Amino acid sequence: GEDVEQSLFLSVREGDSSVINCTYTDSSSTYLYWYKQEPGAGLQLLTYIFSNMDMKQDQRLTVLLNKKDKHLSLRIADTQTGDSAIYFCAESISDYKLSFGAGTTVTVRA
Amino acid sequence: GAVVSQHPSRVICKSGTSVKIECRSLDFQATTMFWYRQFPKQSLMLMATSNEGSKATYEQGVEKDKFLINHASLTLSTLTVTSAHPEDSSFYICSARADVSDTQYFGPGTRLTVL
Repeated sequence: GEDVEQSLFLSVREGDSSVINCTYTDSSSTYLYWYKQEPGAGLQLLTYIFSNMDMKQDQRLTVLLNKKDKHLSLRIADTQTGDSAIYFCAESISDYKLSFGAGTTVTVRA
Repeated sequence: GAVVSQHPSRVICKSGTSVKIECRSLDFQATTMFWYRQFPKQSLMLMATSNEGSKATYEQGVEKDKFLINHASLTLSTLTVTSAHPEDSSFYICSARADVSDTQYFGPGTRLTVL
């Protein structure tokens, strides 16, 4: 079956880097995603990585993929107060479906 | 690009009534739309997959007669919660997948409260 796991909470000081980790189980996943959810809102696609890539960088965001260990991470450089949100890791499974982790609540403190 | 809207954003209804939620892809054609339910402080639970012009595929444990899904066009899917009860109160989120992409784009969600 599919199972995505994330740590539930992360507290980071403004200006520091945040690293959110995720493990997944479906080795056939083609894409892995990071979504951001602010309170009362839907999910915003932050970035995604194709399974044959090791790293993807997009401005302040860096995604690292270790396919052997089925480990995915999201690094946010220079974390700002507007980065406070819940971050969901998701893997693509059959029939274009996504399997989500429980979400990591990131709190940015001044 | 890739904007998905939902309407209404918030609805309060009495127990026993039916509520319809619309999901629209505004700037692309969505071959597939997905409906999720999210409980407070929890992850998204996939309810069903909706393909344009065909019957929706429901996940295990989701009552198809309770949650009616219609995907009449490539830009619109609707979820109707029939005979709603307080336990149906939740945050319902839709997503849409463009024909040429695996990526799902999410709507802003609909908060349903059943009194």
